Amino acid sequence: DIQMTQSPSSLSASVGDRVTITCRASQTVITLNWYRLRPGKAPEFLISGAFTLRSGVASRFSTSESGTDFTLTLSSVQPEDFATYFCQQTDTTPPTFGQGTRLEIK
Amino acid sequence: QVQLQESGPGLVKPSETLSVTCGVSGYLISYGYSWGWIRQPPGKGLEWIGGIYHSGGSSSTSYNPSLKSRVAISVDTSMNQFFLRLTSVTAADTAVYYCVRAPLRVNDDGDGVPGFRFDDWGRGILVTVSS
Repeated sequence: DIQMTQSPSSLSASVGDRVTITCRASQTVITLNWYRLRPGKAPEFLISGAFTLRSGVASRFSTSESGTDFTLTLSSVQPEDFATYFCQQTDTTPPTFGQGTRLEIK
Repeated sequence: QVQLQESGPGLVKPSETLSVTCGVSGYLISYGYSWGWIRQPPGKGLEWIGGIYHSGGSSSTSYNPSLKSRVAISVDTSMNQFFLRLTSVTAADTAVYYCVRAPLRVNDDGDGVPGFRFDDWGRGILVTVSS
């Protein structure tokens, strides 16, 4: 299985801050998805690869990649962004997720 | 807008079978998408369990190899529901179980098979395995 390693496991931020979450794959991955999990709500698919932002998802979310490293950037954190974020590769069976990054209010 | 809702027993005894249902509203499960299950044990990450694509009276399934010997996913188109069965459960199967909808992938034979981009999720159901 492809191992996905996320960092940091948690971080604190204030509303308006810019934050970056990193996901490293154990081997070459073509497509990486990002999801947001908020307590008491259904998890949400946010963005796929570098270009496919889910309809309705704010443009403050963006991604980049370099080799086996992928990043999710929130340009200006909003109150609804305090949640746990997961990356996920889709290239092989089984699809695998990172361990999650918890974004907390500073 | 599609909505997914998990239901089932919240407590299952060790060695027994875990059964969870996903009710789908706002979209017909036999039309163009695949459906699946993902779980999250307490304090841990997400694990894909498997998926199903049903069309024209036949189904295509795909399972996580680590669970394949114990898992079965099926659909009931008349009720617009799909199901997860996990046999011989242990405490390690304690988790929040999510049902999901995913666009189809196309395999090397040109057939539609369960996809791996999980566009829509239910809120999840906590299933605890304990005697």
